[in-house]
Amino acid sequence: DAKTTQPNSMESNEEEPVHLPCNHSTISGTDYIHWYRQLPSQGPEYVIHGLTSNVNNRMASLAIAEDRKSSTLILHRATLRDAAVYYCILGRAARQLTFGSGTQLTVLP
Amino acid sequence: EPEVTQTPSHQVTQMGQEVILRCVPISNHLYFYWYRQILGQKVEFLVSFYNNEISEKSEIFDDQFSVERPDGSNFTLKIRSTKLEDSAMYFCASKEREAPDTQYFGPGTRLTVL
Repeated sequence: DAKTTQPNSMESNEEEPVHLPCNHSTISGTDYIHWYRQLPSQGPEYVIHGLTSNVNNRMASLAIAEDRKSSTLILHRATLRDAAVYYCILGRAARQLTFGSGTQLTVLP
Repeated sequence: EPEVTQTPSHQVTQMGQEVILRCVPISNHLYFYWYRQILGQKVEFLVSFYNNEISEKSEIFDDQFSVERPDGSNFTLKIRSTKLEDSAMYFCASKEREAPDTQYFGPGTRLTVL
């Protein structure tokens, strides 16, 4: 599976936007970009996914670079409940998810 | 909203004992997964299951592990003879179809092997 690189940690102030970057320079044409998050003591939770175009849903937006070698998860207004580990994962169709270390997001009140 | 459930939430067992971890996936889902997360480490894939058979498994999923979907609703993970290093959170996940859709994760079972 192609590898992703994310910062170990990021901080944000509450009610401000957060941009979580992910580099995936070896992405293949059939790899989707998935974002999951894991709140403390919980199972992973789907956030968003995309292939080539930018995507929006009620939780977040996903901005994908034109060459697909990087992407950014955007939380438009961070809340304390958004404090979690965010994982950027490449994958295809029904295959399993390969989790890396992710980015620990701290939201400051 | 439908959710994946897992029981028990916490299982304590003695080394060498068999344990069965249970999951009830979302009812119309066809793909099922087990993952585990040792404390402080990454979430690791164990096995995927589709059409009543294993579709993929990792190196962790050795002969001590087995999965079953005994009755069309439950999805179980059995560890035949537990080792200390099997202590971890075990997460079940399910997915509706082959398309790159959401995997829905359960809350996990914490397994402690003494």
